[in-house]
Amino acid sequence: DAGVTQSPTHLIKTRGQQVTLRCSPKSGHDTVSWYQQALGQGPQFIFQYYEEEERQRGNFPDRFSGHQFPNYSSELNVNALLLGDSALYLCASRSSGHTQYFGPGTRLTVL
Amino acid sequence: GIQVEQSPPDLILQEGANSTLRCNFSDSVNNLQWFHQNPWGQLINLFYIPSGTKQNGRLSATTVATERYSLLYISSSQTTDSGVYFCAAPRSKGSQGNLIFGKGTKLSVKP
Repeated sequence: DAGVTQSPTHLIKTRGQQVTLRCSPKSGHDTVSWYQQALGQGPQFIFQYYEEEERQRGNFPDRFSGHQFPNYSSELNVNALLLGDSALYLCASRSSGHTQYFGPGTRLTVL
Repeated sequence: GIQVEQSPPDLILQEGANSTLRCNFSDSVNNLQWFHQNPWGQLINLFYIPSGTKQNGRLSATTVATERYSLLYISSSQTTDSGVYFCAAPRSKGSQGNLIFGKGTKLSVKP
């Protein structure tokens, strides 16, 4: 049973560029959440997708957007990258239960 | 929203020692999770424990919901236990996917 997978593992971009990160949830899970983790901090909630719609959103600007596909996989898009967007981006999935399972993350560096 | 505080922020142990990590939360919860983040960034589920006590090998956790705290016990620590331990709870009871994380306890186990 595959767990949560994310791609790519690492990514280097320059300021002003756009980036797309991808996530496949754990088998049987239909809800995907995205988190941003800056160095030395705990993860911070970006948004959650269920039934292909954004259901909850954290305190992140509109430059952060997402999508969920019919197979429950999800993308996180960040436009007009800033240096401060450099972080580990984590995807988590769950089903109807409370427990969330996290993927290995994508480490984004903005130069 | 809920606030989550962890202590201590850093902990250094000799291999074989026992330790207790604490998580305080500001509001009642129906979901409390403990995670271990390894040096590669992977968040690994340890416990889903909104109340009561659970044990898994050398690790155990207790949540006293009425007093708004949770404890993670690590016995006979090993070098592989090193990493950052996070507790997390939903921002509100109606937002299970929106986890609020503490700042973590960084554990270093020396051989």
